Amino acid sequence: AQKVTQAQTEISVVEKEDVTLDCVYETRDTTYYLFWYKQPPSGELVFLIRRNSFDEQNEISGRYSWNFQKSTSSFNFTITASQVVDSAVYFCALSEAQDTGGFKTIFGAGTRLFVKA
Amino acid sequence: SQTIHQWPATLVQPVGSPLSLECTVEGTSNPNLYWYRQAAGRGLQLLFYSVGIGQISSEVPQNLSASRPQDRQFILSSKKLLLSDSGFYLCAFTEAPGTGELFFGEGSRLTVL
Repeated sequence: AQKVTQAQTEISVVEKEDVTLDCVYETRDTTYYLFWYKQPPSGELVFLIRRNSFDEQNEISGRYSWNFQKSTSSFNFTITASQVVDSAVYFCALSEAQDTGGFKTIFGAGTRLFVKA
Repeated sequence: SQTIHQWPATLVQPVGSPLSLECTVEGTSNPNLYWYRQAAGRGLQLLFYSVGIGQISSEVPQNLSASRPQDRQFILSSKKLLLSDSGFYLCAFTEAPGTGELFFGEGSRLTVL
């Protein structure tokens, strides 16, 4: 069965600090996708990154970086030099292909990040 | 480009009243469609998903139902709302075939009084 755990409910940092958001997942499939989404106060979810289960290469995009480790079933997200605009709820998600077609995606509970000026 | 719209954006309904939330997708064919609910301060809960017209998979037993009368239309309904149905409802789609990346609508905030 699928499961995504984001143990950190809320994190508060001061601007320019680095912060890491943790994500641990469970799946029986060998092929799956992992995602991070950002939900700003407006409520609409914004896609940040996708990783497939066969690609463990870490990725950096500007101040954002992701560390995917299959050995520990983790897909952690780091924001370097955080800014106030990074304040949002961040969701980790796991997606698996279904026999009936399409994908089923479940989300973690989310981590609310507060960045103080 | 693909777009997704859902409405109404805000809804206040009394307990026991019916519900209908609509979602339409443009710019893609045969999308996979999803309804999620986010209770206040909580994560996203998958309610229903559909891989084709008339094909609905239900994830959580409750007093809600979903229908897909057309390829790019997804409707969330209830005959009698409960207080616990309050929340933020999000419609989403993935392209088919695709890699599972979800594109979300603007969301519908439902308050049941």
